[in-house]
Amino acid sequence: QQQVKQSPQSLIVQKGGISIINCAYENTAFDYFPWYQQFPGKGPALLIAIRPDVSEKKEGRFTISFNKSAKQFSLHIMDSQPGDSATYFCAATTGNTPLVFGKGTRLSVIA
Amino acid sequence: DGGITQSPKYLFRKEGQNVTLSCEQNLNHDAMYWYRQDPGQGLRLIYYSQIVNDFQKGDIAEGYSVSREKKESFPLTVTSAQKNPTAFYLCASSIAVLSGNTIYFGEGSWLTVV
Repeated sequence: QQQVKQSPQSLIVQKGGISIINCAYENTAFDYFPWYQQFPGKGPALLIAIRPDVSEKKEGRFTISFNKSAKQFSLHIMDSQPGDSATYFCAATTGNTPLVFGKGTRLSVIA
Repeated sequence: DGGITQSPKYLFRKEGQNVTLSCEQNLNHDAMYWYRQDPGQGLRLIYYSQIVNDFQKGDIAEGYSVSREKKESFPLTVTSAQKNPTAFYLCASSIAVLSGNTIYFGEGSWLTVV
């Protein structure tokens, strides 16, 4: 049973546009929701993370929106650039359990 | 430089052979992990270790084995029992297995069965 469902699987966005990736979870005990960014042939790296006590967190062009009642959270990339082209993973965890990852979204930003 | 070193980067294995992937970290982290990445499947947890001489199975542990004899090292053995071992393997570490702790990944090892 997949605990974190991520969509879309792939996304093409024009340079300067907004990229939006969505995730939904089922376990209401989850209390930490990070997003990881992975470039081809590299390991993922933490991009931004949020706790459920806030509805939004912004770092530069990257924003997480969190909807606790709907059990959904999303990543918004403003003014998307070709350098943002990568695979993005949402994840979730609680307590002393390892992160559970979504299946990933391959983002391509085209000029 | 501090970080996680995985070796080899590329590995070819014949069917029926065991192979061991190396993972070393100098971040002084207690927790270490092995994930498997397949196209469209995301990152799936194979094994993790919270402390030396202790480890737990993840979601897809069958056909794999690990050891944690030193804090810095967490090697993964892909045994002949693993039916579909061709994949990208990622080692990771964190201060502890605890919500809120950042997980840091190595650059991965590509394993191909020929």
